[in-house]
Amino acid sequence: AQSVTQLDSHVSVSEGTPVLLRCNYSSSYSPSLFWYVQHPNKGLQLLLKYTSAATLVKGINGFEAEFKKSETSFHLTKPSAHMSDAAEYFCVVSDNFNKFYFGSGTKLNVKP
Amino acid sequence: DAGITQSPRHKVTETGTPVTLRCHQTENHRYMYWYRQDPGHGLRLIHYSYGVKDTDKGEVSDGYSVSRSKTEDFLLTLESATSSQTSVYFCAISEGTSGEYNEQFFGPGTRLTVL
Repeated sequence: AQSVTQLDSHVSVSEGTPVLLRCNYSSSYSPSLFWYVQHPNKGLQLLLKYTSAATLVKGINGFEAEFKKSETSFHLTKPSAHMSDAAEYFCVVSDNFNKFYFGSGTKLNVKP
Repeated sequence: DAGITQSPRHKVTETGTPVTLRCHQTENHRYMYWYRQDPGHGLRLIHYSYGVKDTDKGEVSDGYSVSRSKTEDFLLTLESATSSQTSVYFCAISEGTSGEYNEQFFGPGTRLTVL
């Protein structure tokens, strides 16, 4: 069975400091993993995806994530937070049957 | 942006009335999905479709039905709306292949309030 655990429901950082949003997954298959972002009252936008090509994945807006099979983790990072990064972030795992499993989300607050 | 529209975008209805939400895509993707989003739960899958007239249940399917008579349209019906179905509903599509093309694209959402 597939599942995703986002370890923090809320993260607060100061502008210009690093961002770390944690995600652990469980999968019976070789997983595809994704991070989506949702700004307030908006839809979901794909930040990045892992599909076995490379363990360090670069996404949009300076975000990246590293797939660590031994730790079953896919944490999202950014070196320097910007005010516009304030949003909710979802970690998602996909199985081999095109079903997608969402974490419960992490709300990122960026303080000036 | 992927061509996905949802209608209506906002709806207020009363308990016990039927409601149908429509998702329309112009991408010719095989897979279509309906999710609901509630605070603290992320997105939960209601139903999905893997082809015309081929549908299956998700984790929160009770009280919902779906239909897909054309590739481009996926309808979600609440037969008799309840207040617990007040939520934001998102439609998503996926091309349905593995690897690089295995990602979802989302519609703008429908905010449904059941009084």
